[in-house]
Amino acid sequence: AQKVTQAQTEISVVEKEDVTLDCVYETRDTTYYLFWYKQPPSGELVFLIRRNSFDEQNEISGRYSWNFQKSTSSFNFTITASQVVDSAVYFCALIERGYQKVTFGIGTKLQVIP
Amino acid sequence: SQTIHQWPATLVQPVGSPLSLECTVEGTSNPNLYWYRQAAGRGLQLLFYSVGIGQISSEVPQNLSASRPQDRQFILSSKKLLLSDSGFYLCARKMTGGSEEKLFFGSGTQLSVL
Repeated sequence: AQKVTQAQTEISVVEKEDVTLDCVYETRDTTYYLFWYKQPPSGELVFLIRRNSFDEQNEISGRYSWNFQKSTSSFNFTITASQVVDSAVYFCALIERGYQKVTFGIGTKLQVIP
Repeated sequence: SQTIHQWPATLVQPVGSPLSLECTVEGTSNPNLYWYRQAAGRGLQLLFYSVGIGQISSEVPQNLSASRPQDRQFILSSKKLLLSDSGFYLCARKMTGGSEEKLFFGSGTQLSVL
């Protein structure tokens, strides 16, 4: 069975601080995909990144970076120099190859205070 | 285009009334379609998914049902709403294969059962 744990339910940071959102997953499959989605106050989920289980390279996109470590089953998300527009709920998700279900974590609500 | 049309955006219904939420998608034929619910302050709960016309998998036994009468149409229904059915309902489609393995979400329906 697949499971995604986001232990941080709410985080508050002051603008320009760096913040890391944690994601730990469980899967029995060796081939799987991991995702991060952003849900701004408007409600619609916005895709941020997808990682497959064979690609452990960390990725950076502007102020966003992702650290995928299979040894610890973690896929953490860091926002550098946070901005008020980063305030949202962030979801980590997992899907195993050959399965149709996408399992989401409970989400981390990030509040960036000006 | 992978646009997902979801309506209505908001809905207020009395307890015991019926429900019908419709989701239609554009783009590639035979998509995998999903209904998720997000209760206030909680994560995303998978309700139903469909891999084809007439094929529905239920993840959570409850008074909701889903149907897929056409390839690009996915309907969430209830004969009698409960207070606990309140929440934010999201329709999603999954692109499969290679670099396209990810979920796209509609804009959601905020349902309030009073």
